[in-house]
Amino acid sequence: QSALTQPASVSGSPGQSITISCTGTSSDVGGYNYVSWYQQHPGKAPKLMIYDVTHRPSGVSNRFSGSKSGNTASLTISGLQAEDEADYYCSSYTSNSTPWVFGGGTKLTVL
Amino acid sequence: QITFKESGPTLVEPTQTLTLTCTFSGFSLSTSGVAVGWIRQPPGKALEWLALIYWDDDKRYSPSLRNRLTITKDTSKDQVVLTMTNMDPVDTATYFCAHMYGGTSYFGYWGQGTLVTVSS
Repeated sequence: QSALTQPASVSGSPGQSITISCTGTSSDVGGYNYVSWYQQHPGKAPKLMIYDVTHRPSGVSNRFSGSKSGNTASLTISGLQAEDEADYYCSSYTSNSTPWVFGGGTKLTVL
Repeated sequence: QITFKESGPTLVEPTQTLTLTCTFSGFSLSTSGVAVGWIRQPPGKALEWLALIYWDDDKRYSPSLRNRLTITKDTSKDQVVLTMTNMDPVDTATYFCAHMYGGTSYFGYWGQGTLVTVSS
């Protein structure tokens, strides 16, 4: 069982917006602004999409945005495109015994 | 341009020791603030962080696997090596290495991963 909780799946139609949640505790998501999000297409390596809750690496579309409220972080993808269909993982620094934890992953389907 | 390539056996038998090598380019692991980590992903399952080594040879391990893991670096070869003892079929996974800047908590660059199957 992953330390961070994500919905198993979300879906949306092209052009729509979707939000993926990532729920942790005050020892991880809620306690630090060190939440990151990764996109993973089948058979590929994860790709960093958001770091430090809200920051986008160079080259990542501004359709991707991150936020946090309390112990829950969120990834929002606006203007859904077919290429956004992938698995998405959140991660956080944690003061628990494991410095970094991942969520269980969310499969995004673009209808 | 930072790149990674993982290498090692694709098949190991139960109880054997796994040795994986991560060869990288585009940065030096002797540069202050740099770290390289290992993350694995069982087929169809989530990512799991395993270990991390910093430029100053400081090391971090997943508590659940601490007694089975060893991470080392060879800065002259631009390599990081992960060994995992007493392999079990549940350790079947794709193993990734990735880059982290010290003081941050995200992996900005990843290797393509290498699939390791544990079976007799």
